[in-house]
Amino acid sequence: DIQMTQSPSSLSASVGDRVTITCRASQSVSSSLNWYQHKLGKAPKLLIYAVSILQSGVPSRFSGSGSETDFTLTISSLQPEDFATYYCQQSDSTPPTFGQGTKLEIK
Amino acid sequence: QVQLQESGPGLVKPSETLSLTCDIYGYSISSGYYWGWLRQPPGKGLEWIGDIFHNGITDYTPSLKSRVTISVDTSKNQVSLRLSSVTAADTAVYYCARLCRSGDCFDYWGQGTLVIVSS
Repeated sequence: DIQMTQSPSSLSASVGDRVTITCRASQSVSSSLNWYQHKLGKAPKLLIYAVSILQSGVPSRFSGSGSETDFTLTISSLQPEDFATYYCQQSDSTPPTFGQGTKLEIK
Repeated sequence: QVQLQESGPGLVKPSETLSLTCDIYGYSISSGYYWGWLRQPPGKGLEWIGDIFHNGITDYTPSLKSRVTISVDTSKNQVSLRLSSVTAADTAVYYCARLCRSGDCFDYWGQGTLVIVSS
């Protein structure tokens, strides 16, 4: 299975900050990389698929980039509703696998 | 708006079978898409269990394949999960989700249901 490693595992930031989360795959996943946002007790939400394509309805302050093994999720200006846990997921090979998550907390 | 809701027993005894259902609202399973099950053990990452197409074609993660059955009931617009011979390691929040049209992501999820395996 492809291992996905996110860093950092947790992050404290303030409203208005620019935040970057990284995701590294144990082997190339080409452009088959997705990002999700999860708030406790809620359904996870697809933010970005295929590295950089915003899911419908997702604010433009979210962006994704990268290729092969190294990927980033950037939030350009943190809003109060953005404090959550973020997961990357590769879909290049079966089984699809997820990173361990990055918990974004209010500073 | 597509909504998914998982339900089932919150407590299962070791060696027994875990059974969950996922009710789907706002979309008819018969119209297409793959529907999946995932889980997240306490303090651990998300794990894909398997998925099913509306015609019953399934795909399972190798590590659970011998114990998992995913089925679909188009008349009830439901997807079901059965996991046999459970142990404490199967304690997790279980999610159902719809796969994206491309099959490469999960675009709608349920809120999840916690299942504890304990005697």
